Amino acid sequence: AQSVTQPDIHITVSEGASLELRCNYSYGATPYLFWYVQSPGQGLQLLLKYFSGDTLVQGIKGFEAEFKRSQSSFNLRKPSVHWSDAAEYFCAVVPRVDSNYQLIWGAGTKLIIKP
Amino acid sequence: EAQVTQNPRYLITVTGKKLTVTCSQNMNHEYMSWYRQDPGLGLRQIYYSMNVEVTDKGDVPEGYKVSRKEKRNFPLILESPSPNQTSLYFCASSLSRQGSSLHFGNGTRLTVT
Repeated sequence: AQSVTQPDIHITVSEGASLELRCNYSYGATPYLFWYVQSPGQGLQLLLKYFSGDTLVQGIKGFEAEFKRSQSSFNLRKPSVHWSDAAEYFCAVVPRVDSNYQLIWGAGTKLIIKP
Repeated sequence: EAQVTQNPRYLITVTGKKLTVTCSQNMNHEYMSWYRQDPGLGLRQIYYSMNVEVTDKGDVPEGYKVSRKEKRNFPLILESPSPNQTSLYFCASSLSRQGSSLHFGNGTRLTVT
């Protein structure tokens, strides 16, 4: 079955440290790829997306993600986290064969920032 | 300001009492969707709508109804709520199909006792 896996339920990093959140998908062809962030008490906000072209994608709030076809991964990174980055992060994909734009979501990774 | 507005933000009700959660967007988006979010399960789609008068089931449609009579509104109806529908609900919209990013409302936390 088609799926999106975020293997880390929680991640704790110190403020100022680098961050990498993992996302793997299981599809034959490269899907559309997204990262969303959910701050406490808020809805989800798009951080970045990948459709084609350069495999390193820049997003808002200093985040970037790299698509690696060979690993079926789309990991999210930030070189130096801030306390305001504490939130839950969701990876999502749309299979290109799906004409109805049905997002398939990972279970999310909760980011905790240590002062 | 472009936004998706859900109401209410919080709702506590009893089993079997019909309720409606409203969702409205001011961006002239064609696509709208309802999700529920439960711990450890991420987001699961309930229903979606590709345009006015066009709705379809998502992954977990049982116990829910929707309608899309106008482009801007997409209410979620629970005819006879049950405790297993206690959840955090999100409405979202996007301009069109593939490639458009979703805009989310701030959520409705529903408790059914």
